[in-house]
Amino acid sequence: GENVEQHPSTLSVQEGDSAVIKCTYSDSASNYFPWYKQELGKGPQLIIDIRSNVGEKKDQRIAVTLNKTAKHFSLHITETQPEDSAVYFCAASRLSGGYNKLIFGAGTRLAVHP
Amino acid sequence: EPEVTQTPSHQVTQMGQEVILRCVPISNHLYFYWYRQILGQKVEFLVSFYNNEISEKSEIFDDQFSVERPDGSNFTLKIRSTKLEDSAMYFCASSGVIKYETQYFGPGTRLLVL
Repeated sequence: GENVEQHPSTLSVQEGDSAVIKCTYSDSASNYFPWYKQELGKGPQLIIDIRSNVGEKKDQRIAVTLNKTAKHFSLHITETQPEDSAVYFCAASRLSGGYNKLIFGAGTRLAVHP
Repeated sequence: EPEVTQTPSHQVTQMGQEVILRCVPISNHLYFYWYRQILGQKVEFLVSFYNNEISEKSEIFDDQFSVERPDGSNFTLKIRSTKLEDSAMYFCASSGVIKYETQYFGPGTRLLVL
């Protein structure tokens, strides 16, 4: 069935360093890949997303890359700050012109130390 | 900024009891979802809802579950006879028409079945 694997499960970095989180997906028909950030006591919040017709997307300190052939995609956070500390989830979806279910990875707990 | 809201934030119930989890999606959104996250596990898709009917449901969403949009603003998830394994965080999400792939999540309801 559809599955998304996410690594690492925990990541600890020093403030200012870069952080990279990687995901692989099983459904080759997946064509939409969002990343969510979840802070304590809150629901997941979308931080960046990418469609399968694009290989890379950037938004300030955050970037996502997609390798369709290998079926994996990654989140890159540069110049990390303590407020980046949270749980990050990748997800994959097969967009079908309307509703779409998200298949989530298990999450990565990122800790940024001052 | 508009957001998805959910009530209650926490619910404790006895096994076999019925619970109703409530969500108010973003006002002009048309696609609605429920997901759940058992402690320490992945966020899992339960059901999607559009045009007053279920558009897709997962294997988890058995006859004990139902969803309803009783009026123009609320979206509910009912569990008819709760089991211990229904204990989880339940997230509601909604998406609009123009950028339908972007799902906005509520803060969740933590359900504990004793």
